[in-house]
Amino acid sequence: SQQGEEDPQALSIQEGENATMNCSYKTSINNLQWYRQNSGRGLVHLILIRSNEREKHSGRLRVTLDTSKKSSSLLITASRAADTASYFCATVDTSGTYKYIFGTGTRLKVLA
Amino acid sequence: DSGVTQTPKHLITATGQRVTLRCSPRSGDLSVYWYQQSLDQGLQFLIQYYNGEERAKGNILERFSAQQFPDLHSELNLSSLELGDSALYFCASSGFGETQYFGPGTRLLVL
Repeated sequence: SQQGEEDPQALSIQEGENATMNCSYKTSINNLQWYRQNSGRGLVHLILIRSNEREKHSGRLRVTLDTSKKSSSLLITASRAADTASYFCATVDTSGTYKYIFGTGTRLKVLA
Repeated sequence: DSGVTQTPKHLITATGQRVTLRCSPRSGDLSVYWYQQSLDQGLQFLIQYYNGEERAKGNILERFSAQQFPDLHSELNLSSLELGDSALYFCASSGFGETQYFGPGTRLLVL
């Protein structure tokens, strides 16, 4: 399967703690994106990191990308109950098909 | 609100039937994408259109087809429906950047 893998599949933390989720992919990419999905709703774009970038920040989000390992991580600092959602990484296969590939997702639960 | 609209929100139909899902992209976005999300398969990319032309194809079954019209809205047609086609179907759109804006989805239940 070309689908990206994310781990952990599920994560439960206390409010105020940091949450880290990881994504591995299999194809050549120009960039990697992270999306968030609240239960049963549409995905919302969080952040994009280009293949020539190693780290990017946006508010409480920090994303890293290691193209040699074909992996990325998303760190959410000082988590809030409202961060409870599923988080997906997404890539485009630039080796020829230009298919969009989403990871399997990490279900994050932040306990108040 | 992403600016992408999808109709209908819910659809219940029987096996063997045909349905059409509709998507209106954000104003000015030329690309439309269709995804299927089910519990066991995750989020699967089906197809992308750019300004009326098919741009990329994913795991779209032959029973499914899509098109993008001159006004840029798109339709996903699902035929000979099977129980396993029950899923959330999302449409997304994008402009010149690579960020996709997702609609609220259509929940399809095949009985």
